[in-house]
Amino acid sequence: EIVMTQSPATLSVSPGERATLSCRASQSVSSYLAWYQQKPGQAPRLLIYGASTRATGIPARFSGSGSGTEFTLTISSLQSEDFAVYYCQQYDKWPRTFGQGTKVEI
Amino acid sequence: EVQLVESGGDLVQPGRSQRLSCTASGFAFGDDAMSWVRQAPGKGLEWLGFIRSQTYGGTTEYAASVRGRFTISRDDSKNIAYLQMNSLKTEDTAVYYCTRCLYSGGRCYFDSWGQGTLVTVSS
Repeated sequence: EIVMTQSPATLSVSPGERATLSCRASQSVSSYLAWYQQKPGQAPRLLIYGASTRATGIPARFSGSGSGTEFTLTISSLQSEDFAVYYCQQYDKWPRTFGQGTKVEI
Repeated sequence: EVQLVESGGDLVQPGRSQRLSCTASGFAFGDDAMSWVRQAPGKGLEWLGFIRSQTYGGTTEYAASVRGRFTISRDDSKNIAYLQMNSLKTEDTAVYYCTRCLYSGGRCYFDSWGQGTLVTVSS
């Protein structure tokens, strides 16, 4: 199984700052990498698929990059509504696997 | 608008069975693959399984942790996906989400999620 490792576990930032979240796969997943945002008490929401394609309705301040085993989610200027937990997930190989999450907090 | 509504969550005794339903609307359900993901209290997301559309045989894939105990099926006439869970354990306590799986570049990603249904396994 492909292990997805996210770093850091917690990221403390201020509104307006840039946030950079990392995700590493234990083997290549090509560009079959998605990012999800989850707020307390809510279902996850798709942000990015194909490593860099924003899902419908996702603001341009969210961007994804990377391929193979190293991926990055960047939030260019954090808004109050962006404080949440972010998960990466590979959808190249079975079983599909998620990272353990990065909590973005103030 | 795509909507997925899970139901069937409940308090269940260890060793018993439970079936969850995911009722879909707002899209051509029969054309799409579906998946189930769970989240134990205070923990991360765990993928459980996947079912292809009937066009691709309606075949399934499962995580090792639930293979042989959980079964995913679908009724395209009712727009419902099911998760049959047998021999439940306390560690199966979680919120269970169904997701639509959209294809791009030969693989599918989880573009839409239901609100989740809570299954608590306890005596």
